[in-house]
Amino acid sequence: GAVVSQHPSRVICKSGTSVKIECRSLDFQATTMFWYRQFPKQSLMLMATSNEGSKATYEQGVEKDKFLINHASLTLSTLTVTSAHPEDSSFYICSARASGGMASYEQYFGPGTRLTVT
Amino acid sequence: GIQVEQSPPDLILQEGANSTLRCNFSDSVNNLQWFHQNPWGQLINLFYIPSGTKQNGRLSATTVATERYSLLYISSSQTTDSGVYFCAGRPPSGAGSYQLTFGKGTKLSVIP
Repeated sequence: GAVVSQHPSRVICKSGTSVKIECRSLDFQATTMFWYRQFPKQSLMLMATSNEGSKATYEQGVEKDKFLINHASLTLSTLTVTSAHPEDSSFYICSARASGGMASYEQYFGPGTRLTVT
Repeated sequence: GIQVEQSPPDLILQEGANSTLRCNFSDSVNNLQWFHQNPWGQLINLFYIPSGTKQNGRLSATTVATERYSLLYISSSQTTDSGVYFCAGRPPSGAGSYQLTFGKGTKLSVIP
């Protein structure tokens, strides 16, 4: 149980285009999902907290107009990188916190999406 | 926010050796998780351990919440244990209390 998927696993796009990354909790409901960014050989940096049915909460320094987050259902959150530039190239990871019967503070992580902007 | 310090930053082990990884927190944390990030980037949940000791096969973890640290023990290491080990903690209740703060990780290399 507690499986989180991400799609796509890898994407290459041209500078100026937008890219959407999906994060799904496959076997549980997730009221809260989180989006992280990880640079090579570094730790995970929290970008935003996504709550189902409400606006995401962004961490300081993260541009909300550039990184659009939508959490339309209890099993799906999306991150759209708008007008991507090479400096947006990174490894993006989502996580989900179970709600309902499985509710706890434990987070389960997706496999990540490697974005390369050329 | 809380600061999370992991040690050592790098560790090289001969296959079969044991090791202890440490995680210190600057302030109280209400829960703590240990993860293994494999070479493909996937974070695998090892332990959810707010306090006490847990064991899972060759791995075990101990959290002493009152002293703000946690330890991850790896026994009889195998080459498949290689990767980066992260600990992460959640601040006390309040705004953002669901969010995890990660340490910088310990990179483990197990050589045959």
